[in-house]
Amino acid sequence: GAVVSQHPSWVICKSGTSVKIECRSLDFQATTMFWYRQFPKQSLMLMATSNEGSKATYEQGVEKDKFLINHASLTLSTLTVTSAHPEDSSFYICSATLGVSYGYTFGSGTRLTVV
Amino acid sequence: AQTVTQSQPEMSVQEAETVTLSCTYDTSESDYYLFWYKQPPSRQMILVIRQEAYKQQNATENRFSVNFQKAAKSFSLKISDSQLGDAAMYFCAYRGSDDKIIFGKGTRLHILP
Repeated sequence: GAVVSQHPSWVICKSGTSVKIECRSLDFQATTMFWYRQFPKQSLMLMATSNEGSKATYEQGVEKDKFLINHASLTLSTLTVTSAHPEDSSFYICSATLGVSYGYTFGSGTRLTVV
Repeated sequence: AQTVTQSQPEMSVQEAETVTLSCTYDTSESDYYLFWYKQPPSRQMILVIRQEAYKQQNATENRFSVNFQKAAKSFSLKISDSQLGDAAMYFCAYRGSDDKIIFGKGTRLHILP
């Protein structure tokens, strides 16, 4: 149980376009999901907390207008990178939890390359 | 603010030997959770082990065990009988009252055949 599916696994887009990444909890309901960004050979940096039915809360320094998060249902959260630029190229990972005693389950990640 | 520190960027261990990865953290909270996650080359994050701060007993999962020293704010991971498949990046993580997970910078573990 507690499977999180993330799609797409990789995407290449042109500078100035927008890209949407989906994160789904397959066998459980997740009122809260988290979005991380990971640069090569670095740790995961929390970008925002996605709350079902309400606005996401962003970490300091993360542009909420560039990284739009929508959590419209208990099983789906989306991250949209708007007007993407090469510096947005990175590995994005989502996570969700059944409850803290179960730990946090992570999606398989999305490698975004902006050209 | 909470912080997680992993002071060993890389470590190597001979296959079948034992290795310990270090982690320290800083928090003013008394109730929290600690985790070790493994990230292999596929980059999929895999939960290795978790520890509830209110439990004095150290968590164990097969070949993986932790040494949790709450007063010292230390949470090390011991891998026994190291296997080639254990080669990965290992992240120590903290979860506090706000449900957010904070990761350390990671330790890359190499297994020598």
